[in-house]
Amino acid sequence: DQQVKQNSPSLSVQEGRISILNCDYTNSMFDYFLWYKKYPAEGPTFLISISSIKDKNEDGRFTVFLNKSAKHLSLHIVPSQPGDSAVYFCAASGHTGFQKLVFGTGTRLLVSP
Amino acid sequence: GAGVSQSPSNKVTEKGKDVELRCDPISGHTALYWYRQSLGQGLEFLIYFQGNSAPDKSGLPSDRFSAERTGGSVSTLTIQRTQQEDSAVYLCASSLSSRLAGYTDTQYFGPGTRLTVL
Repeated sequence: DQQVKQNSPSLSVQEGRISILNCDYTNSMFDYFLWYKKYPAEGPTFLISISSIKDKNEDGRFTVFLNKSAKHLSLHIVPSQPGDSAVYFCAASGHTGFQKLVFGTGTRLLVSP
Repeated sequence: GAGVSQSPSNKVTEKGKDVELRCDPISGHTALYWYRQSLGQGLEFLIYFQGNSAPDKSGLPSDRFSAERTGGSVSTLTIQRTQQEDSAVYLCASSLSSRLAGYTDTQYFGPGTRLTVL
């Protein structure tokens, strides 16, 4: 059973526009959520996170929104740049005593010039 | 400073052979994690180390999989009698200390080892 779902395997956006990547989760015990970015042949790189006590967290061009009642989070990238082209993974963790991350299957973002 | 390193970067083996995958975490990081990513799947948690002990091995898919960590640093993931379904990218991550930072610690990933079992 997929506890963290990214239903869009790919997304294409033009440079300068907004990219919105979505993620849904089913486990109500999750209370910390993260986005990772992955380039080919590299490991995932931490991008931004949000705790369940917040509904928004911003870091430069990246903003993560959390809707707990809908068990949904999204990552907004504004403005999108060609260097943002990568696979984006949503991940979640809960009260397990350590950060036991559960990952989605990823969304491949392509930002065209 | 150096990031997480893994070796080998690629490993091709025959079904039934044993393989060892190595992870060198970031110096000073006491927490170490192993994940694997099968084709078309997300990253799947395998095992977590705090220091040399492994409080959570719940993600290891079978008793053919084992891992150890020595000196609170290098970790080895061993797969015995490999099967074709073991083919995946095996990723290692480390973090400063999950015990102190709780579950908000940031994990830093290595580039992975691509394992192909023929």
